Amino acid sequence: GDSVTQMEGPVTLSEEAFLTINCTYTATGYPSLFWYVQYPGEGLQLLLKATKADDKGSNKGFEATYRKETTSFHLEKGSVQVSDSAVYFCALSTGANSKLTFGKGITLSVRP
Amino acid sequence: SQTIHQWPATLVQPVGSPLSLECTVEGTSNPNLYWYRQAAGRGLQLLFYSVGIGQISSEVPQNLSASRPQDRQFILSSKKLLLSDSGFYLCAWGRQGIEQFFGPGTRLTVL
Repeated sequence: GDSVTQMEGPVTLSEEAFLTINCTYTATGYPSLFWYVQYPGEGLQLLLKATKADDKGSNKGFEATYRKETTSFHLEKGSVQVSDSAVYFCALSTGANSKLTFGKGITLSVRP
Repeated sequence: SQTIHQWPATLVQPVGSPLSLECTVEGTSNPNLYWYRQAAGRGLQLLFYSVGIGQISSEVPQNLSASRPQDRQFILSSKKLLLSDSGFYLCAWGRQGIEQFFGPGTRLTVL
């Protein structure tokens, strides 16, 4: 079946540091890929998405590129802020019902 | 614009008691609807999804059930809660080919 693997966390960075969160996937067919963010005590918000190979999703300074050859969708940001502290989930969607398969999530803490 | 509501926001229930969580969507028609659970320190697990009124698909066997009595209403229920039912329950809506949009969630604590 479909699966998403995220790097182990938590991750703690200083403000303005470079961020990379790894995500790899296994899927039948051609999935759409997503990064969702969950701020403390809240639901999930879509951060960015990519629907086909080589697409780059971007939002709020975050970027991720759909790499079919390495089955990866790594999240990057050049300079993190304290307000980026949250849990980040990588996910994929396939099939007619667009069900999402999530990774376990990773907690990011950014220190001032 | 579309909005999704969940209530209650928090709930503390004793073991063996019943459960009813409600989710409603506004501003769209005939959405796919989903229930997820997020247990402490774990990822999100899809529990149920629905593509239409009265149509429920279960992803994980358990003592929970779901119903969709109206197009934009999705209810998660249990007759008798277990300790292991504690978690953060998220409802989401979506359509084929687009991302899912999540509600604010319900935090359930079973004591």
